[in-house]
Amino acid sequence: GNSVTQMEGPVTLSEEAFLTINCTYTATGYPSLFWYVQYPGEGLQLLLKATKADDKGSNKGFEATYRKETTSFHLEKGSVQVSDSAVYFCALIWQAGTALIFGKGTTLSVSS
Amino acid sequence: SQTIHQWPATLVQPVGSPLSLECTVEGTSNPNLYWYRQAAGRGLQLLFYSVGIGQISSEVPQNLSASRPQDRQFILSSKKLLLSDSGFYLCAWKSRSTSSYEQYFGPGTRLTVT
Repeated sequence: GNSVTQMEGPVTLSEEAFLTINCTYTATGYPSLFWYVQYPGEGLQLLLKATKADDKGSNKGFEATYRKETTSFHLEKGSVQVSDSAVYFCALIWQAGTALIFGKGTTLSVSS
Repeated sequence: SQTIHQWPATLVQPVGSPLSLECTVEGTSNPNLYWYRQAAGRGLQLLFYSVGIGQISSEVPQNLSASRPQDRQFILSSKKLLLSDSGFYLCAWKSRSTSSYEQYFGPGTRLTVT
């Protein structure tokens, strides 16, 4: 079945460090891929998306590239800020009417 | 622009009591609607989704139920809560008028069953 695997956290970084959060997926066909972010006590916010192979999603300095050959969608940011501290979820969907399938989430903690 | 509301924001209920959580969406028509649950230390699990008024699909057998009495209203209910029902409940919507698949989430309801 379809699944998403994320690197386990927590990830602890100093401000301005480079961030990578790994995400790989197993899916039938060509799913759409997403990164969502959840700040403490809040719902999920869509961070970025990619809908086909080699697409690069980007938002707020974060980027992720849809790699079909490695079935990956790793999240990167060149210089993290304290305000980026949150839980990040990788997710996929391959059919409009069905559920997003989420990874278990990766907690990022950035210190100044 | 579209907004999604959930209430209450937090809820503490005893085991065996009933439950009603409400979700409403503004600024769009005929959306797909979803209920997810996020248990402590775990990922998100889809509970129910709806493609129209009165149309509910259940993903996980349990003592919860969902209803969609109006186009932009989605309700999650239970007749008797269990301890295992504790968690963070998130409502989400998706536009049916576009070909994109992203879902947009509400602020969530934190339920503690005691």
